[in-house]
Amino acid sequence: GAVVSQHPSWVICKSGTSVKIECRSLDFQATTMFWYRQFPKQSLMLMATSNEGSKATYEQGVEKDKFLINHASLTLSTLTVTSAHPEDSSFYICSAATGGIYEQYFGPGTRLTVT
Amino acid sequence: DAKTTQPPSMDCAEGRAANLPCNHSTISGNEYVYWYRQIHSQGPQYIIHGLKNNETNEMASLIITEDRKSSTLILPHATLRDTAVYYCIVIPRFGNEKLTFGTGTRLTIIP
Repeated sequence: GAVVSQHPSWVICKSGTSVKIECRSLDFQATTMFWYRQFPKQSLMLMATSNEGSKATYEQGVEKDKFLINHASLTLSTLTVTSAHPEDSSFYICSAATGGIYEQYFGPGTRLTVT
Repeated sequence: DAKTTQPPSMDCAEGRAANLPCNHSTISGNEYVYWYRQIHSQGPQYIIHGLKNNETNEMASLIITEDRKSSTLILPHATLRDTAVYYCIVIPRFGNEKLTFGTGTRLTIIP
């Protein structure tokens, strides 16, 4: 149980375009989902926290107009990277947490390359 | 949140027990110790967590010192698939469940 999927697993896009990444909790309902970013040889950095039906809370330094997060249901959250630039190339990872349980279940990650 | 300190890297022979230390000297009474690991190019995987008692599950054992200022994750019989970066994280018992990943320990299992 507690499986989180991400789609796509990797994507290449041209500079200036937008890319949407989906995060789904497959066998449980996630009241909270998190989005992380990881650059090569670095640790995960939390970008934002989203609760179903409400606006995401962004970490300091993360542009909310550039990284649009939607958490429309208890099993789906999306991250849209708008007007992507090469410096947005990174490994994006989501996680999902259920109410009352503190373990976060992570997705497999999405590797974004912006050319 | 309490800060944690881990050695940057460790090696362990396959089949041996891997003991990964973590210092969290500023931990407060309501904070759990969590361990995650990240295999290369994958999302992190939850391993185990504890408050003050030692814990064991099918993956590992967690030993927390009596003063709670440090802990050790034990992988009893390490395999090559255990090669990963291991993160020790301290989070409040009640709160927003926000995880702050440090640099972790890169564990390499040697054949």
